[in-house]
Amino acid sequence: EAGVVQSPRYKIIEKKQPVAFWCNPISGHNTLYWYRQNLGQGPELLIRYENEEAVDDSQLPKDRFSAERLKGVDSTLKIQPAELGDSAVYLCASSLGPTDRGYEQYFGPGTRLTVT
Amino acid sequence: DQQVKQNSPSLSVQEGRISILNCDYTNSMFDYFLWYKKYPAEGPTFLISISSIKDKNEDGRFTVFLNKSAKHLSLHIVPSQPGDSAVYFCAAGIQGAQKLVFGQGTRLTINP
Repeated sequence: EAGVVQSPRYKIIEKKQPVAFWCNPISGHNTLYWYRQNLGQGPELLIRYENEEAVDDSQLPKDRFSAERLKGVDSTLKIQPAELGDSAVYLCASSLGPTDRGYEQYFGPGTRLTVT
Repeated sequence: DQQVKQNSPSLSVQEGRISILNCDYTNSMFDYFLWYKKYPAEGPTFLISISSIKDKNEDGRFTVFLNKSAKHLSLHIVPSQPGDSAVYFCAAGIQGAQKLVFGQGTRLTINP
């Protein structure tokens, strides 16, 4: 079974430029998450989708960040314009929902963004 | 407000010995807890979890202990192996909320 796929793996852009990240979750996983991980910190949730619906976007900086999950499968996270402080690893995760092991989330490899 | 804290940024253990990673939380509403392991340039991978109705869960070399009164959990790895060298994150959540709060991580190094 394929895991969570993310692209690109690395991205270097100048500040004020736009950038987009793409995520393909594990087949059958209805819940999709976007996290941001700053250096030396744990992942922090940006947005959570249940199918096509964004059910928790309280931590998403909506002035410059946007996300979409068309057809309830793939998702795109966009930053426009990027700022120096946006440099981080952006992780996508998906989950099936509650299982015997709890709400296990499966993570992709992440996109390392560097804003110069 | 850091609801989940891992106060040790790094830990070094000799191969074959026990590794103990610690995690503290402040939100008494958390009722399930997970440990994730992360290698460089990879995403975190699930390791083991525990519900608040239990105080111990074991899976092979990995055991998680939960002390609800102290709001503390720990991950024991025994015996430690070189492949266990990674960053370990603890995470906490509330059943039904499907939202995890992660600690800052502890870098474990297993020395031969």
